[in-house]
Amino acid sequence: EAQVTQNPRYLITVTGKKLTVTCSQNMNHEYMSWYRQDPGLGLRQIYYSMNVEVTDKGDVPEGYKVSRKEKRNFPLILESPSPNQTSLYFCASRGRGTGELFFGEGSRLTVL
Amino acid sequence: RKEVEQDPGPFNVPEGATVAFNCTYSNSASQSFFWYRQDCRKEPKLLMSVYSSGNEDGRFTAQLNRASQYISLLIRDSKLSDSATYLCVVNSGSGGYNKLIFGAGTRLAVHP
Repeated sequence: EAQVTQNPRYLITVTGKKLTVTCSQNMNHEYMSWYRQDPGLGLRQIYYSMNVEVTDKGDVPEGYKVSRKEKRNFPLILESPSPNQTSLYFCASRGRGTGELFFGEGSRLTVL
Repeated sequence: RKEVEQDPGPFNVPEGATVAFNCTYSNSASQSFFWYRQDCRKEPKLLMSVYSSGNEDGRFTAQLNRASQYISLLIRDSKLSDSATYLCVVNSGSGGYNKLIFGAGTRLAVHP
């Protein structure tokens, strides 16, 4: 089954404790992206990657890092989480030449 | 001003009703337009692309008005299962499909 898998789905952590949200897709998509979704603001792009070892900032990259060492994986790293990073995070991928994004089920992160 | 703006709703309609949502975008260079659907606490999924000449998919009709910079979604014969949040999505105008801008969504509640 074609899918995008994120882990963890739910996480409560404390300020400053590094965490990683993993994302993996099995559709051989070159493009992957991370979004955060907050009430009234919609989905905002954090980082995206057009291929292995190629990443670029989205609209809200501050406080986040990403890496793309393999085509299928695109982890999101919060080196020192802060409460304003409490949000619902979605990873997405898409095939070449199409605007259809396939999203993971989301990761709800709470930073205390 | 937000790049993509939607009426947040909620739109409360009875089964069988016809309902229309509008979405305005600010970047006149935008070329690609989509409607996504997001069920409560779930990931967004592509509902339909929006083409220049307008397009229909069953009970759903999408229209684009470039002169006024808005797109619309019309749902005919609403079903209970249409209850969801509808997200308007527009490419940033300079990044192809790499930077898709999401509206905050319009919530639809269909009641018996």
